[in-house]
Order: sequence, then structure tokens, then C-alpha cells
Amino acid sequence: DIQMTQSPSSLSASEGDRVTITCRASQPVSNFFHWYQQKPGKAPKLLISTVSNLESGVPSRFSGSGSGTDFSLTISSLQPEDVATYYCLQTNNIPHTFGQGTKVEIK
Amino acid sequence: QVQLQESGPGLVEPSQTLSLTCTVSGDSISSGRHYWSWIRQPAGKGLEWIGRICIRETAQYKPSLKGRVTISADTSKNQLSLSLTSVTAADTAVYYCARGPRYGGVPSPLDYWGQGTLVTVSS
Repeated sequence: DIQMTQSPSSLSASEGDRVTITCRASQPVSNFFHWYQQKPGKAPKLLISTVSNLESGVPSRFSGSGSGTDFSLTISSLQPEDVATYYCLQTNNIPHTFGQGTKVEIK
Repeated sequence: QVQLQESGPGLVEPSQTLSLTCTVSGDSISSGRHYWSWIRQPAGKGLEWIGRICIRETAQYKPSLKGRVTISADTSKNQLSLSLTSVTAADTAVYYCARGPRYGGVPSPLDYWGQGTLVTVSS
């Protein structure tokens, strides 16, 4: 299985701060890499597909980058509504695997 | 608009079989354009991919669940099914169905998700 390791596991930042979450795959996943946002009691919501493609309706303060095994999700200016847990997902191999999640809070 | 809705018993006894259905609207499973996946999430924990199916081929599963899990599709009802045998408390989770990835080796995500259904394994 491809292991997906996110860091940090949690973070607390001020409104307006720039926040970056990283995800490292145990082997290359090409652009079969995606980011999700999950709020309590809700299903995960697709934010970014294939490394850097922002989904329709997702604020432009979210961006994704990376290649090979190292990827990142950046929120350029953290807003209260961004409080959530963020997950990365690789769909390059079976089984598909998620990162363990990064919980983002506002100070 | 693609919508998925999970349904099934909320309580299953240990050693019994967990059976869930996912009803799809706004897309057709029979088109073969996508895989359809099942994912679960224990309370307070992360997401675990269980397996996927596309009508063009046999289902694929997470190896650690293989032997206990079966995913099938009913194209006449536009539904997916998940069966998990010999359940234990460790199988207690919210179970989601989702569309994706696209068939044919195209880089693509799980784009549409159901709201999830909680299944508790307890006597």
C-alpha cells in the first residue's frame, strides 16, 4: 500500500494567516493526487483534484502544488469557515489511500 | 446534479454481515464511465478506502478487507451494494459511497459523496 503522511496533524493559526499542509507519499503517485475538506458531521468535500485543479465554487485562497511524492495545500488567508480537517488522497494505486488528516483551527 | 444516498441497518451484531446500499441519481452506473467507491470513517478517526467497482470489470478491494468484503452493482436500480461479513466492533464507522475515479486510468478524484450512514457493531 502507498502510505500518505500528512503534516502537521493539527495546526492553529490566526485569521488571515497563510497556512500550508503537506502530504508525502511513500512512492510516486504522479498527478493521481487530491485534497478534501471535511467539517464535523459532514461528508468530505473535494477541494482540489489532480494536484492543483481547484474545484468549482472553491475559494481561490485554496491552492495545491507538488509532484512525485511531495504535495502541499495552501490557504493564502485563513478564514473562520476554513476550520475543518483536511485529507489528501492518492488514486494512483489500489488500494487508494488517504492521509491521516490535518485539523485546522483558528486562534 | 449527481447525488448518492447510503441506506441500511444502523446496528449489526458481532459476527454478522453488514449490508449497505447506495442509490445513485444524476448519473448512470451502467455507463461504465466511472468507478464507484466505498469509504468508511470510525468516529474521530480518518478515512479508509474499502473498495471500488465499475461495471466493466470485477470489483477491487483493500487487501486487508479482502475475503470479508463484496461490492456489487445493480444497474437496473442504479445502486451499489456493500457487504462486509464477520463484523466486529472495529467495523463500527460511518460508511460513505462516492463516485470515482473515472474509468480508464484517468487521473481523477472521488468527486461526489453520499452523506454517509453510521453503522454500529454491537450486541
